[in-house]
Amino acid sequence: SAVISQKPSRDICQRGTSLTIQCQVDSQVTMMFWYRQQPGQSLTLIATANQGSEATYESGFVIDKFPISRPNLTFSTLTVSNMSPEDSSIYLCSVEDLTSGRRRETQYFGPGTRLLVL
Amino acid sequence: GQQVMQIPQYQHVQEGEDFTTYCNSSTTLSNIQWYKQRPGGHPVFLIQLVKSGEVKKQKRLTFQFGEAKKNSSLHITATQTTDVGTYFCAGLVSGGYNKLIFGAGTRLAVHP
Repeated sequence: SAVISQKPSRDICQRGTSLTIQCQVDSQVTMMFWYRQQPGQSLTLIATANQGSEATYESGFVIDKFPISRPNLTFSTLTVSNMSPEDSSIYLCSVEDLTSGRRRETQYFGPGTRLLVL
Repeated sequence: GQQVMQIPQYQHVQEGEDFTTYCNSSTTLSNIQWYKQRPGGHPVFLIQLVKSGEVKKQKRLTFQFGEAKKNSSLHITATQTTDVGTYFCAGLVSGGYNKLIFGAGTRLAVHP
């Protein structure tokens, strides 16, 4: 199974600043996903990041606010720009589970980054 | 837009009681997946259902996928305190590229 790490694990930021979240996977993966989970809520997909191409953003999320990099097959970053208190959430990266015998399209999640914006 | 509805939002049970959470999609799904998130943790994959009418069991957990591939349920028999957490269903929607749409989740509390 894939091992996913995220940095930072948590942060407290001032409004108007930006935070870059890193996601590192211990194996090469084609697709990486970034989700937001607001307190007590479900997971909302922000964007899908494929290596070597522009990220695909979901409705309601834009590149200027959430720029994503995907420089190689094991790493991605999500930046939360010009933050406001409404951006306080858990941000999770995930990858497709490519474990032998398991059907594709299921996902492994990283531990998440807990962000509080004051 | 495509939605996956999940009920109930919360469920409190006494240890030993059964528990069921239900999901319903507005569109036909390629497959449905279930994840569990412990308090303070991240979602962990439980199971995937692909075929119409499919039923799968994992010990005390029974998962069903509806005949029309639009609804699903998770039933836990004789709950234990280790079952505490939020259970999410997630529907895979095809088209362009595959993506998961998560239900709102059901938070289960088990009282000893």
